[in-house]
Amino acid sequence: EDQVTQSPEALRLQEGESSSLNCSYTVSGLRGLFWYRQDPGKGPEFLFTLYSAGEEKEKERLKATLTKKESFLHITAPKPEDSATYLCAVHLEGGANSKLTFGKGITLSVRP
Amino acid sequence: DTGVSQDPRHKITKRGQNVTFRCDPISEHNRLYWYRQTLGQGPEFLTYFQNEAQLEKSRLLSDRFSAERPKGSFSTLEIQRTEQGDSAMYLCASSLGQGRNEQFFGPGTRLTVL
Repeated sequence: EDQVTQSPEALRLQEGESSSLNCSYTVSGLRGLFWYRQDPGKGPEFLFTLYSAGEEKEKERLKATLTKKESFLHITAPKPEDSATYLCAVHLEGGANSKLTFGKGITLSVRP
Repeated sequence: DTGVSQDPRHKITKRGQNVTFRCDPISEHNRLYWYRQTLGQGPEFLTYFQNEAQLEKSRLLSDRFSAERPKGSFSTLEIQRTEQGDSAMYLCASSLGQGRNEQFFGPGTRLTVL
């Protein structure tokens, strides 16, 4: 069965303390891996799409990387406003399949 | 680009009542998706449309759920005879299609079934 696992479930950082969030997947036929940010009570906000192993994308303090089995979201010198839940999702090959399969998310809290 | 909009933002209903939610996608996007999210979980796929055609439905979508996108623009999701287990955030997303599957989400509709 296709699975997406995110770890840790929750992460508390001090402002400026860099860290990484992990998303591992056991799927066949990965068409793309997506990262989203979600604030409480709101819909997910698109961050990145990664399509192939070795690919990297950056946006401000965030950098996403992809291997054949996992993706990392690196957060450099985080600020309190980076506090949110970070979701990863996979898009799989096959037929009319266009859905995303999400992990449970990682709740990040950055203390000032 | 006004983004994906959903209405209402919150809905409280009694068990057994019917509810209907609306989603307006980004105007040039031809794909529209419905997801459901409960506390502490990621969004779970319910169904998706390409233009007006409903191309895929999850097994989560019981007979009490129906979705339409009559003119390939806005979509509605109806839940009949609501149950307490239907309480969740219902999220709508849209994408351009044509090989681009970045899905942009609306703010969601929070359903509470009493």
